[in-house]
Amino acid sequence: DIQMTQSPASLSASLGETVTIQCQASEDIYSGLAWYQQKPGKSPQLLIYGASSLQDGVPSRFSGSGSGTQYSLKISSMQTEDEGVYFCQQGLKYPWTFGGGTKLELK
Amino acid sequence: EVQLQESGPGLVKPSQSLSLTCSVTGYSITSNYWGWIRKFPGNKMEWMGYISYSGSTSYNPSLKSRISITRDTSKNQFFLQLNSVTTEDTATYYCARSSAYYGSPYFDYWGQGVMVTVSS
Repeated sequence: DIQMTQSPASLSASLGETVTIQCQASEDIYSGLAWYQQKPGKSPQLLIYGASSLQDGVPSRFSGSGSGTQYSLKISSMQTEDEGVYFCQQGLKYPWTFGGGTKLELK
Repeated sequence: EVQLQESGPGLVKPSQSLSLTCSVTGYSITSNYWGWIRKFPGNKMEWMGYISYSGSTSYNPSLKSRISITRDTSKNQFFLQLNSVTTEDTATYYCARSSAYYGSPYFDYWGQGVMVTVSS
């Protein structure tokens, strides 16, 4: 299975701060990566697909980048509503696998 | 608008079968792929499997022969059955629609999730 390693496991950011979350795959996944945000008590929401394509309706402060085995999700200006847990997911090979999650809190 | 809704028992006894239904509105399950994902306590997420627009299935090998995903196109529903459950199957179960971008799949619509506890 392709292992997805996220870092950091948790972080806190101030309003307006830039936040970056990393996701490393155990092998090249050729940009077959999606990012999700999950708020407490809610289901995951798709943010980014294809490593860098922004899902309709997602604020433009979210962006994704990367290639090969290294990917990142950036929030350009932290907002209160961005608190939650963020997951990456690869779809290159079966079984599709998720990262362990990054908990983002407002400082 | 595409909406998914899981239903099923919240408590299952060990060694029994877990059965969940996902009801879809706003989109036909004869298009796209339709999957089940579970989230364990502590944030670990696991893709369990999917049923395609044509009715073909793909499962996570970790679930071996315990899993079955079927569908009823007349009701626009698909189903999860997980046999011989143990306490390690305690999780929140989600159904989701899978789309693809240049062959790379992602989940763009999710149900609200149903918490299932395996306990005697």
